Amino acid sequence: GESVGLHLPTLSVQEGDNSIINCAYSNSASDYFIWYKQESGKGPQFIIDIRSNMDKRQGQRVTVLLNKTVKHLSLQIAATQPGDSAVYFCAEKGNYGGSQGNLIFGKGTKLSVKP
Amino acid sequence: DVKVTQSSRYLVKRTGEKVFLECVQDMDHENMFWYRQDPGLGLRLIYFSYDVKMKEKGDIPEGYSVSREKKERFSLILESASTNQTSMYLCASSWTGLNEKLFFGSGTQLSVL
Repeated sequence: GESVGLHLPTLSVQEGDNSIINCAYSNSASDYFIWYKQESGKGPQFIIDIRSNMDKRQGQRVTVLLNKTVKHLSLQIAATQPGDSAVYFCAEKGNYGGSQGNLIFGKGTKLSVKP
Repeated sequence: DVKVTQSSRYLVKRTGEKVFLECVQDMDHENMFWYRQDPGLGLRLIYFSYDVKMKEKGDIPEGYSVSREKKERFSLILESASTNQTSMYLCASSWTGLNEKLFFGSGTQLSVL
C-alpha cells in the first residue's frame, strides 16, 4: 500500500553544520508534500511545503527538494542550531485509496544537534 | 497566528470511563482532524470533519466517535476507554482548498489505567 517513510530514524549533527533529512514516498500520484517539526511536548509545526510541479522550494534556512523520478523528498537545514533539535515528519497528500485526500505522515526522524 | 487549543495537556482515566477530548480553533477553518501519535507508529488519523455536523472515519476509528456541533469545535469521544487507547492525541485544522497545511494543537497525553 501507499507509504511515506524515512531512511534514517535518527540524525546527529554538529552545531553549524548543514542537516539533510530524507523521505521516500511510494505513490507517484501524490501532488503535495509538507515537512513538520515537532519539539518535545509540543504539537507538530509547519516548516515548508512543496507541490509536485516544483522540484525545489526555499524558506528561511530550510530548503525542500523533490525528486519525482525516484519519489524522494528531502529537507535541508542550513547552519543547524540547537533549537533545531526535534523530530521531523514528512507527509504527502494524494487523492488515492483510503487517504481521501488527507495527509499521510511518515514516522519521523529525530534530529539531535551537538554543541 | 492560527491557534488550535486542546482543552487538556494531560489526562488520566480509568478503563471503562467515557472520555471527552476537546479542540477549538480560532481561524474559521472548515476542516478539523483528530490523530493519535504513538512511538514508532507516527501520526494516525482517527476521524476528520469537513463541515459542521459532518464526520468521516480515518484510518483507525474503532473505539472512538466525534462530534462537531460548531465550526470551531471538534470533540473526540472514547465511549469506554481501554488501556490500548493510552496515547498522545493531536487535533488539527485546515482550510479547504489548495492550502492543505494542517495547524496542530499541542496535544493531549491520555493515560488509561
